[in-house]
Amino acid sequence: SQQGEEDPQALSIQEGENATMNCSYKTSINNLQWYRQNSGRGLVHLILIRSNEREKHSGRLRVTLDTSKKSSSLLITASRAADTASYFCATDAKNLTSYGKLTFGQGTILTVHP
Amino acid sequence: DAGVIQSPRHEVTEMGQEVTLRCKPISGHNSLFWYRQTMMRGLELLIYFNNNVPIDDSGMPEDRFSAKMPNASFSTLKIQPSEPRDSAVYFCASSFQGANVLTFGAGSRLTVL
Repeated sequence: SQQGEEDPQALSIQEGENATMNCSYKTSINNLQWYRQNSGRGLVHLILIRSNEREKHSGRLRVTLDTSKKSSSLLITASRAADTASYFCATDAKNLTSYGKLTFGQGTILTVHP
Repeated sequence: DAGVIQSPRHEVTEMGQEVTLRCKPISGHNSLFWYRQTMMRGLELLIYFNNNVPIDDSGMPEDRFSAKMPNASFSTLKIQPSEPRDSAVYFCASSFQGANVLTFGAGSRLTVL
């Protein structure tokens, strides 16, 4: 299976609820990033968390990282219909031969109903 | 900054034809990446360049695919000859080395009939 696998594959919630997406990976990493993709568009960077960090916040986003379990979670609080998109985690493996190489997971499709 | 610019946005071609996708990265970014996205395989890294030099092309599916970066402001991904299984959205992304945060283009949707 791939480095960076998101769970669940799809998530459907009501506006105002919180959305939590998880990501698991296999190798040691330098950092883990989350991206968002609206339908028919390119990916947009949301947040980066380094391997020595455990939690990071940006607006309504909260990311956690557990390197012992090789997992991360993305929490979107007070979701809005405009948050409807696919969310991907991406890992920067701690490997000199893959410097700068990001490997993406399959993504979680989030639908927020108004 | 206009962001990462890709062309064409859409391309429909027939099997066996040559396809050339183009990318202009963000000025000042020195790393460039080509990804392919399909429903079945998700987002796959094809090749990436650092300072115009190909660093890792292990994701290029076969010899029909080639990529060049003749200068810091332009890259091409060529498929010759194209096949229906090459149908996908091809993304170009750039970053400033060390930051590892990628800025993606809008993608080129390729359909090979």
